[in-house]
Amino acid sequence: AQSVTQLGSHVSVSEGALVLLRCNYSSSVPPYLFWYVQYPNQGLQLLLKYTSAATLVKGINGFEAEFKKSETSFHLTKPSAHMSDAAEYFCAVNTNAGKSTFGDGTTLTVKP
Amino acid sequence: GAGVSQSPSNKVTEKGKDVELRCDPISGHTALYWYRQSLGQGLEFLIYFQGNSAPDKSGLPSDRFSAERTGGSVSTLTIQRTQQEDSAVYLCASSPRGLYGYTFGSGTRLTVV
Repeated sequence: AQSVTQLGSHVSVSEGALVLLRCNYSSSVPPYLFWYVQYPNQGLQLLLKYTSAATLVKGINGFEAEFKKSETSFHLTKPSAHMSDAAEYFCAVNTNAGKSTFGDGTTLTVKP
Repeated sequence: GAGVSQSPSNKVTEKGKDVELRCDPISGHTALYWYRQSLGQGLEFLIYFQGNSAPDKSGLPSDRFSAERTGGSVSTLTIQRTQQEDSAVYLCASSPRGLYGYTFGSGTRLTVV
């Protein structure tokens, strides 16, 4: 079985501040982990993925995430938020090449 | 095609009518997925295709929902006798392999009135 928990359904940061979106997973086997971003009225776009290579993964738009097995976490960070980062972010886990299980999402608001 | 294409983008239907939602995946992607996204909620898995076979259809909410995929390409999700609780955005995604991550379409927004 696999599951994902995203802590905080809404996160608000000021422009230029650090972005930290939290994701914890549960998996009985080594997981593959993903972050997706969904801009208003659009489909989801793959931001980055962890596939058992480097534990620090860099994605598009300056985002990165670190896989920590001991903490079963895969938190998403960006050093400096931009207004265009405002969107909904989803963490997902896949363990068997079949379906991915998604978290409930975190809405990021960036204040000027 | 260059991306995952879904049609129609919006569909308004009367309660009790049948609807068909279409997904055209990226050429060569053998895996295809249907998810449902209700207002303010996360993504709910519906069904997964590998080629034309559906090894996992555990997420289909009821027997009113069915899906098929032909030629290892286009997929159709059919909802019979629609109900108001079926209103949602239906998302299709494809992947060369599920472990590589998905490419999503823009979705079909279904409204049952």
